[in-house]
Amino acid sequence: GESVGLHLPTLSVQEGDNSIINCAYSNSASDYFIWYKQESGKGPQFIIDIRSNMDKRQGQRVTVLLNKTVKHLSLQIAATQPGDSAVYFCADNMEYGNKLVFGAGTILRVKS
Amino acid sequence: DGGITQSPKYLFRKEGQNVTLSCEQNLNHDAMYWYRQDPGQGLRLIYYSQIVNDFQKGDIAEGYSVSREKKESFPLTVTSAQKNPTAFYLCATGAGVAGYTFGSGTRLTVV
Repeated sequence: GESVGLHLPTLSVQEGDNSIINCAYSNSASDYFIWYKQESGKGPQFIIDIRSNMDKRQGQRVTVLLNKTVKHLSLQIAATQPGDSAVYFCADNMEYGNKLVFGAGTILRVKS
Repeated sequence: DGGITQSPKYLFRKEGQNVTLSCEQNLNHDAMYWYRQDPGQGLRLIYYSQIVNDFQKGDIAEGYSVSREKKESFPLTVTSAQKNPTAFYLCATGAGVAGYTFGSGTRLTVV
């Protein structure tokens, strides 16, 4: 979806628990998806990406799941740490090829 | 920031003034983008450029202008026509079907 000036939803998790952040996309022609992490006052940083020919991709403590049937993307963070507190954005390339469209973002707060 | 430099980090603008935000990259990426981010909100696309000497309006281009005379540079001017310019501005570059690399941002405040 597009960022439209709405305030971001917040997910609060206990340190050590797993986190799941969800994202819906609108265009079935999208073939590339990416997750970014943005810490306060900084630019977004790449976390993990996935192409449409895959359902799952794993990184270090992170896993991205892609469900093309329902146009849904999720980011799973294992053993969430205080340093994971940030805003997380999904993005996909819709039908524009190289141009990404960003979702609204989710704030992740980790409680110690 | 992976070869993208945004300057200045903080910028203060008086009412009615034009200001220019700098974005320079040494990643040799063809595409460059400008986003605006308001507190607690997502990214909104202002302008983008897929190639030198060409640029396109994004979703919120009114009150902004850009140029792309060099591959390495994509400056954004916030004009006096932008009535609410206080925000965090992010520049990004891209190459092919891949993720963007973002700069560290410029925080613009109207005083």
